[in-house]
Amino acid sequence: EAQVTQNPRYLITVTGKKLTVTCSQNMNHEYMSWYRQDPGLGLRQIYYSMNVEVTDKGDVPEGYKVSRKEKRNFPLILESPSPNQTSLYFCASSPRTELEQYFGPGTRLTVT
Amino acid sequence: AQSVTQPDIHITVSEGASLELRCNYSYGATPYLFWYVQSPGQGLQLLLKYFSGDTLVQGIKGFEAEFKRSQSSFNLRKPSVHWSDAAEYFCAVGEPPGTYKYIFGTGTRLKVLA
Repeated sequence: EAQVTQNPRYLITVTGKKLTVTCSQNMNHEYMSWYRQDPGLGLRQIYYSMNVEVTDKGDVPEGYKVSRKEKRNFPLILESPSPNQTSLYFCASSPRTELEQYFGPGTRLTVT
Repeated sequence: AQSVTQPDIHITVSEGASLELRCNYSYGATPYLFWYVQSPGQGLQLLLKYFSGDTLVQGIKGFEAEFKRSQSSFNLRKPSVHWSDAAEYFCAVGEPPGTYKYIFGTGTRLKVLA
């Protein structure tokens, strides 16, 4: 089944404890992206990747890192999480920007 | 700066009634336009998209949207709403050509009355 998977689905952590949210797609898509969703703000793009080893900042990249060492994986790294990063995070992939993005199920992160 | 505006935060309609969700964008050229739906606790699913050509596009689940360049709008419509349409709807803009940046609106939450 073609899909985007994210792990973990739920995570509660404390301020400053480094964490990684994994994202994997099995559709051989070139493009991948991370978003955060907050009430009243919709989805905001954090980082995106056009292909392996090619990444760029979205609208809200502060406090986040990404890497794209393999085509299928695009992990999101929070090296020192803060409470303002409490949010619902979505990973998405697409074969090309003109086509639809396929979204993962989301990761709900709480930073205390 | 590019932006997407969904002026209605909440909309309530009765089952069987028609629906129109508004979306306005600010962009120098014609962007790629999308409507996504998010059911409670779920990820986002594409309803329809517009890149060029016919300004009236058909999507899944009986939805359609019309691109109006003069009004910078891409409103979503459905002639008869079903209770299962209750969800949050997001309009999105993809910046061409191939810049890979997407901008989402803040969403419209649809409630359907039986």
